[in-house]
Amino acid sequence: AQKVTQAQTEISVVEKEDVTLDCVYETRDTTYYLFWYKQPPSGELVFLIRRNSFDEQNEISGRYSWNFQKSTSSFNFTITASQVVDSAVYFCALSESNSGYSTLTFGKGTMLLVSP
Amino acid sequence: KAGVTQTPRYLIKTRGQQVTLSCSPISGHRSVSWYQQTPGQGLQFLFEYFSETQRNKGNFPGRFSGRQFSNSRSEMNVSTLELGDSALYLCASSTGTGQGYNEQFFGPGTRLTVL
Repeated sequence: AQKVTQAQTEISVVEKEDVTLDCVYETRDTTYYLFWYKQPPSGELVFLIRRNSFDEQNEISGRYSWNFQKSTSSFNFTITASQVVDSAVYFCALSESNSGYSTLTFGKGTMLLVSP
Repeated sequence: KAGVTQTPRYLIKTRGQQVTLSCSPISGHRSVSWYQQTPGQGLQFLFEYFSETQRNKGNFPGRFSGRQFSNSRSEMNVSTLELGDSALYLCASSTGTGQGYNEQFFGPGTRLTVL
């Protein structure tokens, strides 16, 4: 069965520090997508990034970057020069082709606290 | 384009009662998925509806049910509420055409408290 593990429950950093959120996933599917979502205190899930299983190229988008490694089933997310507004719970999620990509399996989340 | 809307935003019920939550997807979206978020279990998939038919179902008891109307609006119902049903219920909509991944857009959620 599919599974997503976020080992870090809470991370505290000072503004301007870089922070990496870890995510390890399990799936038997060969075709899947991985995501990172942000959930601020308001509760709404905000989509950040998506990656499909065929593309291991790591990219940078503004202050966000990710490191996708199929060999270790990891999909880590880095925020560069963190800001107080980055404080939120971050979720890693997996969507598989065998569910028609219509369901998301989430990790338990990592709470990021960025202090001034 | 209006986003996903959920009503009500907050709800307080007592054990044994039933509750109905509503989700209006983004215009043109035919798929609606429901998720339950609790501190202990995290975010868990409940079910997904596409064109008025349940297409996928998570591992929840039969007390949790849903439906989708012809205008794609969806409702979920929880009967015989238990304390453990207290949660944030999120709905997400997508085009749902199934040709590869269809991005899901989440609503603000309904926070249900069971006393």
